[in-house]
Amino acid sequence: GAVVSQHPSRVICKSGTSVKIECRSLDFQATTMFWYRQFPKQSLMLMATSNEGSKATYEQGVEKDKFLINHASLTLSTLTVTSAHPEDSSFYICSAREGRGGTEAFFGQGTRLTVV
Amino acid sequence: AQSVTQPDIHITVSEGASLELRCNYSYGATPYLFWYVQSPGQGLQLLLKYFSGDTLVQGIKGFEAEFKRSQSSFNLRKPSVHWSDAAEYFCAVKRANFGNEKLTFGTGTRLTIIP
Repeated sequence: GAVVSQHPSRVICKSGTSVKIECRSLDFQATTMFWYRQFPKQSLMLMATSNEGSKATYEQGVEKDKFLINHASLTLSTLTVTSAHPEDSSFYICSAREGRGGTEAFFGQGTRLTVV
Repeated sequence: AQSVTQPDIHITVSEGASLELRCNYSYGATPYLFWYVQSPGQGLQLLLKYFSGDTLVQGIKGFEAEFKRSQSSFNLRKPSVHWSDAAEYFCAVKRANFGNEKLTFGTGTRLTIIP
């Protein structure tokens, strides 16, 4: 199956700094990428949907100025957590859907963010 | 709006025993249905999916699921579980023929395997 690589897998940052997480589709072109946040022992919460070359669509309650998403190419999307605070500590997962109208989403390995 | 219910938060099964994880969905249209597995600290791996056709679908790792439209269910089964099956399992749904639409996930079922 298609491979989605997410980097870094773990990151620790100081409160007030920014952190960038990358999501790459390695062997396919991902027109659409999704960013999720997962709290311990809970399901995935969709944060935003990004389409290559256009602005991301954020879910209700997600601060777009805090969680900056860029999808500049068909194989790369980035999530930047700006001015991170301890409450932003979480597991972030991206997924990518191939082409237009693709039915299956492939998931990255996730990034564990800890803000100290 | 669509929703997915996984009634069992946590299930414990003996190794070698059979397994059934329940998933019910609420949807006004033909759904695409998925089961994913997540090991601790990892992303999600697709086990199987149903789009159309035969309502009994086979997946990886010996899993299967049956789509029952009359019951709005898509339960996951495995005849004999292995210790390596211990993980979190998520059922998900999206609208058919809407490529960019998001997946809606259930709350997950944590599977524990005892010797």
